[in-house]
Amino acid sequence: DAGVTQSPTHLIKTRGQHVTLRCSPISGHKSVSWYQQVLGQGPQFIFQYYEKEERGRGNFPDRFSARQFPNYSSELNVNALLLGDSALYLCASSPSRDRGEKLFFGSGTQLSVL
Amino acid sequence: GESVGLHLPTLSVQEGDNSIINCAYSNSASDYFIWYKQESGKGPQFIIDIRSNMDKRQGQRVTVLLNKTVKHLSLQIAATQPGDSAVYFCAENPNTGFQKLVFGTGTRLLVSP
Repeated sequence: DAGVTQSPTHLIKTRGQHVTLRCSPISGHKSVSWYQQVLGQGPQFIFQYYEKEERGRGNFPDRFSARQFPNYSSELNVNALLLGDSALYLCASSPSRDRGEKLFFGSGTQLSVL
Repeated sequence: GESVGLHLPTLSVQEGDNSIINCAYSNSASDYFIWYKQESGKGPQFIIDIRSNMDKRQGQRVTVLLNKTVKHLSLQIAATQPGDSAVYFCAENPNTGFQKLVFGTGTRLLVSP
């Protein structure tokens, strides 16, 4: 069975540009979460989506947005990129929105902002 | 507030030794913790979790201990193998009404043969 898949794996952008990252959850999983992992640090929560609705949001500016599609895949959008947005962006899926559900992470998209 | 932290950034052990990775947290109301393993180029992988109604939980070669008095938890890996080399994170799962993990900085475990 395929795990969580993310695309692209690597991306280089310049300051001020916009980026869209994509995530396909494990088949049957309805919840998708996004995390940002800066080099040398632990992942930091950005969003959780369940049944196409935002269920939770972390402490990130409005430049960050996301959406979930009817097939439960998800996109993370970042506008007006800053150098500090350079990071590994991780997507995680789970079967339900329950707190106790195990999260399954993809391998991430490495974003470099120059 | 929500925060977790680790005592050591890097732990070096010999193959076959037991490894202990420590983690401290600050919120006395925290009641659910998870340990993740992240290998180079991959996302975090669930290892084991523990809730505050337990002091100890065991898995395959791993044991998590929770000391609520001093707000400390540890991950013990028995008979450490080269394949255990990775960064290990403790994460708190706060009761926010949605799925959110608060990760610590991580400890790099290096296993030499």
